[in-house]
Amino acid sequence: AQRVTQPEKLLSVFKGAPVELKCNYSYSGSPELFWYVQYSRQRLQLLLRHISRESIKGFTADLNKGETSFHLKKPFAQEEDSAMYYCALSGLGEGGSEKLVFGKGTKLTVNP
Amino acid sequence: DAGVTQSPTHLIKTRGQQVTLRCSPKSGHDTVSWYQQALGQGPQFIFQYYEEEERQRGNFPDRFSGHQFPNYSSELNVNALLLGDSALYLCASSLPTPGIGETQYFGPGTRLLVL
Repeated sequence: AQRVTQPEKLLSVFKGAPVELKCNYSYSGSPELFWYVQYSRQRLQLLLRHISRESIKGFTADLNKGETSFHLKKPFAQEEDSAMYYCALSGLGEGGSEKLVFGKGTKLTVNP
Repeated sequence: DAGVTQSPTHLIKTRGQQVTLRCSPKSGHDTVSWYQQALGQGPQFIFQYYEEEERQRGNFPDRFSGHQFPNYSSELNVNALLLGDSALYLCASSLPTPGIGETQYFGPGTRLLVL
C-alpha cells in the first residue's frame, strides 16, 4: 500500500536556524516524491520534485531509498517560509498519470 | 494563463442534496484529478480523468462521480450529501510525459459545507 507519513504536525524554529521537515513513505515500486507548500490563503503549489533534483527557495530534499525517507531541509529558515508543507508520492508510470498520495502535512512556523 | 480555476469558491448544502463542482485545467493540460481535503488532513485522491474517461479512482463511494469535457474541463458530482462530505475539494491538472512523469498543478479549491 502507498503511504506517506509526516511525523510532525507542528514545527517551530527561529529565523536563521536550520529546519528539517520529515517525510517517510511506503511504496513497493519506484516512487516519485514531491514536496508541496501552501502559504496562508494561497493554493497548494509544488515546492520541489525529487526527480528534478532542484533547489527551490533554498530548500533541498534527498530521496533515501534505504530509509524510505524524503526529508525537506533548509540551512537558514526565513519568516516567509512559514506555511503548511505536504510530502506526497506518486508511482512512476509508463506514460500514464499517477495519483498523488499525501501526508497529513507539517505546519512550519518561523519566529523572528 | 490563470492556471487551474475552480468554481464556486464556497458552497453550502444540506444533507441529501446533490452538488456539482467545476474545474478548468491549466492551458495545455489534458488530465484532471480531484482530491478531497478534510480539515487537518492532507488531500485524498478521489479520481482522475483523461480523454473524457475515468482512468483511476480512489477509495470513494459511487456517490462521487465525475465528467471530463472535450475541452478538458471537468466536473465533480456528489449525490446524497452527508455531513462528512464537508471539505475542501481540490482539482489538479497535469500533462503526463512518458519517461518524465508529470507535475500536478492545483486549483484554489471549493469549500463545501454540508449542514
